[in-house]
Amino acid sequence: QVQLQESGPGLAKPSQTLSVTCNVSGDSINGGGSYWSWIRLLPGKGLEWIGSIYFSGRTYYNPSLASRLSMSVDASKNSFSLKLSSVTAADTAVYYCARAPMGRDGYNLPQYLDFWGPGTLITVSS
Amino acid sequence: EIILTQSPGTLSLSPGERATLSCRASQSVRSNYLAWYQQIPGQAPRLLIFGASSRAAGIPDRFSGSGSGTDFTLTISRLEPEDFAVYYCHQYTNSPPGGTFGQGSKLEIK
Repeated sequence: QVQLQESGPGLAKPSQTLSVTCNVSGDSINGGGSYWSWIRLLPGKGLEWIGSIYFSGRTYYNPSLASRLSMSVDASKNSFSLKLSSVTAADTAVYYCARAPMGRDGYNLPQYLDFWGPGTLITVSS
Repeated sequence: EIILTQSPGTLSLSPGERATLSCRASQSVRSNYLAWYQQIPGQAPRLLIFGASSRAAGIPDRFSGSGSGTDFTLTISRLEPEDFAVYYCHQYTNSPPGGTFGQGSKLEIK
């Protein structure tokens, strides 16, 4: 069974860089065939796709966040991470990591999200 | 970017009744790349349906998905107490890669 677990600071100050890591078990990030994704649940709103990364380092970012976003993979730890810079209160959310199978239709893009971590609440406040 | 609009915002039903949730896309969803998730407050979303109509592993057959193009439906044939939750649709074409989500439909006990 694939399991994911997020770890984050809980609280971040405005203008700082937020870092969250996702540890994966039951699947190898290096195995190929899947993207590793971040999604957030914004309070009073809904789900927002943040970005996805392949083990090779190929990334896709939400255009609305791309200028502040960086994602990376650590194959030795079977984990992946996100960094979001210049955070504001609007970035307060529950952050989830998830696995997305790669499409086999020639586009090779991330598809639906089949396994999710339990989520970590990040509050941006001074 | 493809925008997904879900309706109704809230649906109040009783256990045993049938629930029908709608998801409408602002443009055609290529290859019916449309998924549905269930989220119980405090828990992670759970994949129910992908490819518009394929049930994910372990999902009871009272959940079914249908539709194509711009109009999609999630049907729960006979509601169980554990089905009362928020449901999201998600399109995962390349607009943008990773996709977009609907705003959610809350299914509550009447």
